[in-house]
Amino acid sequence: AQKITQTQPGMFVQEKEAVTLDCTYDTSDPSYGLFWYKQPSSGEMIFLIYQGSYDQQNATEGRYSLNFQKARKSANLVISASQLGDSAMYFCAMRGGSGTYKYIFGTGTRLKVLA
Amino acid sequence: KAGVTQTPRYLIKTRGQQVTLSCSPISGHRSVSWYQQTPGQGLQFLFEYFSETQRNKGNFPGRFSGRQFSNSRSEMNVSTLELGDSALYLCASSQDRATDTQYFGPGTRLTVL
Repeated sequence: AQKITQTQPGMFVQEKEAVTLDCTYDTSDPSYGLFWYKQPSSGEMIFLIYQGSYDQQNATEGRYSLNFQKARKSANLVISASQLGDSAMYFCAMRGGSGTYKYIFGTGTRLKVLA
Repeated sequence: KAGVTQTPRYLIKTRGQQVTLSCSPISGHRSVSWYQQTPGQGLQFLFEYFSETQRNKGNFPGRFSGRQFSNSRSEMNVSTLELGDSALYLCASSQDRATDTQYFGPGTRLTVL
């Protein structure tokens, strides 16, 4: 069965510092996608970054990078130079193949950026 | 390109009533998924529609149903509302491939009194 685990319910980071949000996954599908979403208090889920299971390099999008360690089945999100606007809930998700195409979400990590 | 839109944004209903939520996906996206988000249960998958057919279904009672139209727009219906149905209902659309990114709408916040 597919599973996503986020072990950090809450995190604090000082403004302008980097922070890593942990995500581990479990799947037997050879082809899958890993995603990170940000959910501010307004409720909308905002797509941040994507990593494909066959991608050789870690994905980066501006201040976001995904530390993909396939053998360890981890896909940690790194936010560099944190800003106050980064305070939000962050969800790790996986979409597998094998005909299911279902998205599996983790329980989320609430990040608070301190001034 | 316009994003995913959901209507209405806010809804207040009473127990026993029924409700219909609407979702318009990003142009060209054929897959629409629905999620329920509550503080206690987190983000839970309801169902996914692709080309007017339900492709995946979560573990929700039959009171929760949906459909998709030929233009990929989707509706979700909840009958005989219960207090526990109060939640943020999120709709997301994507193209077809398994690794395609889902893009979410702003959500419909349903309150059942």
